Amino acid sequence: RKEVEQDPGPFNVPEGATVAFNCTYSNSASQSFFWYRQDCRKEPKLLMSVYSSGNEDGRFTAQLNRASQYISLLIRDSKLSDSATYLCVVRPFSGGYNKLIFGAGTRLAVHP
Amino acid sequence: NAGVTQTPKFQVLKTGQSMTLQCAQDMNHNSMYWYRQDPGMGLRLIYYSASEGTTDKGEVPNGYNVSRLNKREFSLRLESAAPSQTSVYFCASLDRNTDTQYFGPGTRLTVL
Repeated sequence: RKEVEQDPGPFNVPEGATVAFNCTYSNSASQSFFWYRQDCRKEPKLLMSVYSSGNEDGRFTAQLNRASQYISLLIRDSKLSDSATYLCVVRPFSGGYNKLIFGAGTRLAVHP
Repeated sequence: NAGVTQTPKFQVLKTGQSMTLQCAQDMNHNSMYWYRQDPGMGLRLIYYSASEGTTDKGEVPNGYNVSRLNKREFSLRLESAAPSQTSVYFCASLDRNTDTQYFGPGTRLTVL
C-alpha cells in the first residue's frame, strides 16, 4: 500500500464548478499535511498547509480527518487557471530533515 | 533572489555515461533535497542534506551520489547512467520558518 494515495483523475469540470479531492495516508503518526500544486512540466509549489481545525484560503478549503487518515481539498468557483495537478503531501514525523511523502497527484482540468 | 536554480534543464545520456546535476539556492536554507518524478508516481526522495556537511539516503538512492558543496549548493551525480534513471529530477530547499519546500525548475533526463 502506498503511504499517500490519491485518485489520479482527471477531474474535468466546467468553470464555476466546485470540486473536491481526497487523499489518504497510511502512517497514523504523520505530523503535518500539505497540498502542493504542480502545473504541467513545472515544479511543485505549496498551495496550502492543512491544519487540524481545517483552513481556508480564498476559494480553497482544506480539511484533515486524523481518525480516518484522510485529507481533502475543496475548490469553489473553479477558474481555468486552476487546471493543474494537486499533490497531497504528508510529513510522517517531526525530524531535523523534514522528510515529505508525496502522493502521485490528482489532475484537474477546468474547461470553459 | 533567484530561489532554487538547477542546471541543466535537459540532458540526454547514453547508458554508462556519467553526469552531475547542479542545484543552488540563495534563500539561506539549511536543508536541501533531491527528488525524482516518474509518471504515475509521486516525487520520490533520492538524497537529502539536513545541513551543510551532512547527507543521507532517501527512498531511492541506488545509482546516485550527492555532494553538499556548501550551504548554497547540492549536486547529484550519476556515475553510470541506466535507462531506469530516465526521469525528471527536482532539487528543493526547506524554509523551516514556514515549513515550505521550494523547488527548482527540474532537469529532464533521458538515458538511452
